[in-house]
Amino acid sequence: GAGVSQSPSNKVTEKGKDVELRCDPISGHTALYWYRQSLGQGLEFLIYFQGNSAPDKSGLPSDRFSAERTGGSVSTLTIQRTQQEDSAVYLCASSFDSPGELFFGEGSRLTVL
Amino acid sequence: GQNIDQPTEMTATEGAIVQINCTYQTSGFNGLFWYQQHAGEAPTFLSYNVLDGLEEKGRFSSFLSRSKGYSYLLLKELQMKDSASYLCAKGGGSYIPTFGRGTSLIVHP
Repeated sequence: GAGVSQSPSNKVTEKGKDVELRCDPISGHTALYWYRQSLGQGLEFLIYFQGNSAPDKSGLPSDRFSAERTGGSVSTLTIQRTQQEDSAVYLCASSFDSPGELFFGEGSRLTVL
Repeated sequence: GQNIDQPTEMTATEGAIVQINCTYQTSGFNGLFWYQQHAGEAPTFLSYNVLDGLEEKGRFSSFLSRSKGYSYLLLKELQMKDSASYLCAKGGGSYIPTFGRGTSLIVHP
């Protein structure tokens, strides 16, 4: 497809389990961003990639969160030992360059029971 | 923090004009974004202002005053489909947008 693709769209997991969220950006977009959005809250920045490197990972809430990007394309956000406060919609966005218009995916809704 | 402030909710009448304000800390400023987000959907880009002044794009316009740390989004000829959340975001280091909590706009007949 032409847009940013995220999977899974919905994930329900038990507290303590690990989850992986995937983002497939628009082809040719060098910049990739992860945000999360909790109910009634704004978008919280998590991490930014330029190519395969992450010059800014200041938004990752704890060392349970990690992300990687391979081939300058697909990115995976991993949350280890999930907690209930991790429940949120995780949004991925890409842009052709920085600064630039961010194109968002539909998000992955994570529910931790 | 970035202290991005915008009203939580606004209501307006179909066909009217509404102005959504946004204030931010001026330090480390690298542009001001506005996004629209319908309930349950992804945010979509509306505008990006780097220089002072008003930029018009159809029914939507965005204004920036860098010295005052102030921006607004102006929506004209409101339509029911404009009911959505409007997100103000400040570009910071590496131009990464930092978002405010958003303004929920309700347009009624």
